[in-house]
Amino acid sequence: GDSVTQMEGPVTLSEEAFLTINCTYTATGYPSLFWYVQYPGEGLQLLLKATKADDKGSNKGFEATYRKETTSFHLEKGSVQVSDSAVYFCALAEPNDYKLSFGAGTTVTVRA
Amino acid sequence: NAGVTQTPKFRVLKTGQSMTLLCAQDMNHEYMYWYRQDPGMGLRLIHYSVGEGTTAKGEVPDGYNVSRLKKQNFLLGLESAAPSQTSVYFCASTQGQSSYNEQFFGPGTRLTVL
Repeated sequence: GDSVTQMEGPVTLSEEAFLTINCTYTATGYPSLFWYVQYPGEGLQLLLKATKADDKGSNKGFEATYRKETTSFHLEKGSVQVSDSAVYFCALAEPNDYKLSFGAGTTVTVRA
Repeated sequence: NAGVTQTPKFRVLKTGQSMTLLCAQDMNHEYMYWYRQDPGMGLRLIHYSVGEGTTAKGEVPDGYNVSRLKKQNFLLGLESAAPSQTSVYFCASTQGQSSYNEQFFGPGTRLTVL
């Protein structure tokens, strides 16, 4: 079955540091890939997404590129802020399947 | 638009008690979902619905029942709560039509079963 593996956290960074969260996946088809973010005390919200190989999703300074050859969708941000402290989830959806498979989540804390 | 709302926000139950969690969405979405979130396990799908009057089992359906009598509402029931059901429950919805579409999440319900 489908699965998503994320780097384990927690991750603690200083403001303006570079952030990378690794995500790899296993899927039977050609999935769509997502990053969702959960701020403290809130539900999840979509951060970015990509639907085909070499697509780059981007939002709020975050980027992730769909790499089919390495089955990866790593999240990056060049200069994090305290407000980026959150839990980040990588997820996938198979074509014509409306269910998401989530990774375990990575907790990121940014210190001022 | 309120988006996706969940009721209640917090609940404490004793083992064996029952309760119903209510999810409502005002976006006219076809698909709705119930997830549970546990530390180190991400979100796991309990049940989902692809339209009014339909329900289907997800990854961890045991101990839960659902109903979708109205398009905008999706109810999650626990008939006899167990401590293993202590979790944070999230409802989500999406328009469907494409697996590329975003799922919109509610704020969650924190349930503790003693």
